[in-house]
Parts: sequence; structure tokens; C-alpha cells
Amino acid sequence: DIQMTQSPSSLSASVGDRVTITCRASQSISSYLNWYQQKPGKAPKLLIYAASSFQSGVPSRFSGSGSGTDFTLTISSLQPEDFATYYCQQSYSSPNTFGQGTKLEIK
Amino acid sequence: QVQLVQSGAEVKKPGASVKVSCKASGYTFTSYGISWVRQAPGQGLEWMGWISANNANTNYAQRLQGRVTMTTDTSTSTAYMELRSLRSDDTAVYYCARRWVTSADDAFDIWGQGTLVTVSS
Repeated sequence: DIQMTQSPSSLSASVGDRVTITCRASQSISSYLNWYQQKPGKAPKLLIYAASSFQSGVPSRFSGSGSGTDFTLTISSLQPEDFATYYCQQSYSSPNTFGQGTKLEIK
Repeated sequence: QVQLVQSGAEVKKPGASVKVSCKASGYTFTSYGISWVRQAPGQGLEWMGWISANNANTNYAQRLQGRVTMTTDTSTSTAYMELRSLRSDDTAVYYCARRWVTSADDAFDIWGQGTLVTVSS
């Protein structure tokens, strides 16, 4: 199975900050990498697919980059509604494993 | 609008089975697959497997092989996930999600609201 490792596991930041979350795969997954946002008590929401493509309706302050084994999700200017947990997920091979999550909290 | 609506919460005893439903609307059901993902309390997301709504082909997580069965009913645009021989560590919120395949990737673009399954004696 491909292991997905996110860092950091948690992060405190302020409104307006620029934030970067990293996801590393245990082997190359090309660009088969998706990012999801999950708020407490809610289902996850797709933000970015194919490493860097925006899902419809996602604000442009979110961006994704990377290929191979190293990927990043960047939020350019944090808004209050962005405080949530973020997960990466590989769709390169079965099982489609998720990272352990990064909880973004208000400083 | 495009949505997946899941069945309600369940409480089961160890050793029992549970069957969760996921009704799709707003799109052509057979044009997409349905994946199932679960989340234990306070934990991360675990991929369980997926089923093609077109031909009913399935792909299950190895650790659940033999205990899980995913099916679809195209006449009602509903997907089902049955988990047998329940244990306490199967307590989780179970999500269905639409598997959206693009030229570059596949992702889960529409999610159900989740179904809490509690396994307790």
C-alpha cells in the first residue's frame, strides 16, 4: 500500500496568513493526488484534484502543486471559514489511501 | 441538484451485520462509481472500496476483504455497503462518495452526509 504522510499534523495560524501543508507519498504517484477539506460534523469536500486542478467553486486562494512524491496545498490568505482539517489522498493505486490529516486552527 | 443521501444511524451488537444505503440524484447514476470511506471517532479517513455503477465491478480494501460487500440497484439509483461480523473498532461514520474520473485523475467529488454506525454490546 502507498503511505501518505502529511505535515504538520496541526497548525495554528491567523486570518490573513499564508499557509502551506505538505503531503509525501511513499512511492511516486505522478499527479494522482487530491486534497479535501473537512469541517467538524461534515463530510469532506473536494478542493483540488490531479495535484493542481481546482474543483468548481473553490476559492482561488487555494492552490496545489507537486508531482511524484511531494505535494503541497497552499492557502494564500486565510479566511475564517478555512479553519478545518485537510486531507490528501492518492488515487494512483488501490487502496486509495489518505494522509492522516492536518488540523488548521485559529491562533 | 447532484446529491447523495444516506440512510440513518445504526446501532449493532458485535458479530452482527449492517447495510448502509446511498441514494443518488441529479445525475446519471451509471456514469460514475461509488466509493465508500469511513471515519472512526476523532480519526482520519479510511478508504473501504468502490463499485462501478455501470457494471457492478468492485474493488475492496484488503483489510476488509471477506467482510464487506458493495452493491448497486440501478432501478433506484442506490448504492449499498454491507459490513458483516461487526467489531467495536468498526464504530465509525460511513460515507459514500461519487467517484469522478477525469483524464488526469479520479477523485471523490460528491459526498453523502454520512451514516454513524455504532457497534456496542
